[in-house]
Amino acid sequence: GAVVSQHPSRVICKSGTSVKIECRSLDFQATTMFWYRQFPKKSLMLMATSNEGSKATYEQGVEKDKFLINHASLTLSTLTVTSAHPEDSSFYICSARGTSGGFYEQYFGPGTRLTVT
Amino acid sequence: DAKTTQPPSMDCAEGRAANLPCNHSTISGNEYVYWYRQIHSQGPQYIIHGLKNNETNEMASLIITEDRKSSTLILPHATLRDTAVYYCIVYTGTASKLTFGTGTRLQVTL
Repeated sequence: GAVVSQHPSRVICKSGTSVKIECRSLDFQATTMFWYRQFPKKSLMLMATSNEGSKATYEQGVEKDKFLINHASLTLSTLTVTSAHPEDSSFYICSARGTSGGFYEQYFGPGTRLTVT
Repeated sequence: DAKTTQPPSMDCAEGRAANLPCNHSTISGNEYVYWYRQIHSQGPQYIIHGLKNNETNEMASLIITEDRKSSTLILPHATLRDTAVYYCIVYTGTASKLTFGTGTRLQVTL
């Protein structure tokens, strides 16, 4: 299957600082990218959907000014957690969707574990 | 997208077949059944998907009932590395979003 990478895999930051997470589709062009977060022992929760060159669409309850998403190209999307607080500590997972033979396929990155101290 | 119901947990002995059920009684005609799994602290991994016919690939088989209201994912010879949370999702595969439920935690034991 297609490969989606995330960087960094782990990050620790101090409260009040901002953190950027990169998501790349390595061998296909992703027309749409998704960002999820996951708390321990919980399921994935969709945060936002972004299409290349467009503003992201955020799920209800997700602060767009806090979680800045940029989808600058068909292979790169970034999530910036601004003014991070300990409650933002979570596992962040990106997903990229492209087409194969006319059918949409969605692949996930390995995740980024954010710890805010 | 239609909602799915899965048992919260299952056990399976290594080498035996793991049969994971999923109910999706409100599935629409244009919705596919997808299965993903998530091994601890990793991103979800695509397993298989189908519309109405049974499907098989190198990882698993997917059996969908004739009325499409339920399906079963079959791992023919489970190994310890198959221990994971398995998510059954129904969606159109186009403009809609993959929404994850609580999944089934499969524990493969010796």
